[in-house]
Amino acid sequence: GAVVSQHPSRVICKSGTSVKIECRSLDFQATTMFWYRQFPKQSLMLMATSNEGSKATYEQGVEKDKFLINHASLTLSTLTVTSAHPEDSSFYICSARGGNWGESYNEQFFGPGTRLTVL
Amino acid sequence: GENVEQHPSTLSVQEGDSAVIKCTYSDSASNYFPWYKQELGKRPQLIIDIRSNVGEKKDQRIAVTLNKTAKHFSLHITETQPEDSAVYFCAASKGGGSNYKLTFGKGTLLTVNP
Repeated sequence: GAVVSQHPSRVICKSGTSVKIECRSLDFQATTMFWYRQFPKQSLMLMATSNEGSKATYEQGVEKDKFLINHASLTLSTLTVTSAHPEDSSFYICSARGGNWGESYNEQFFGPGTRLTVL
Repeated sequence: GENVEQHPSTLSVQEGDSAVIKCTYSDSASNYFPWYKQELGKRPQLIIDIRSNVGEKKDQRIAVTLNKTAKHFSLHITETQPEDSAVYFCAASKGGGSNYKLTFGKGTLLTVNP
């Protein structure tokens, strides 16, 4: 159980275009979803936290108008990179937290990631 | 906010030896400390975690210790194998108003030489 999927796994786009990444919890309802960005040989940096039906909370330094997050249901969150530029090229990973299930309430389940390359 | 420091950044051991990775955290309210293994281009995989009401936890060759007073926790891998080679991340989180968000250390590249 506790599977999170991401789509697409890899995307190449031209500079100036927008790209949407989907994150789905397949077998549980995600109370909270998180979006991370990971540059090569670096750690995961949290971009934003979203709860279903409410606005995302962005980390300091993350442009909310550039990285649009929608958490429309308990199983789906989307990240849209608007007007993408080469410096946005990175590995984007989502995670989901299920809620207050006994000892599992802290645990985050990660998606497989999306490799974005902006030309 | 929370700050997690992780050492060493790289670690090379011989197969069969033990490996130890150490992390410190700054927020005394943090109460959940997971460790992740990440292979190149893959998602982070939870290998073990510990909560603040426990001082030590073990799962086969992997163990984690937590010292709340000193605000540090460590990952111990015994009898290392080449397939243990990967990047390992520690993290810390707390509940409530923070939404349980994780703050990660910078990672340790572990290489196990056959």
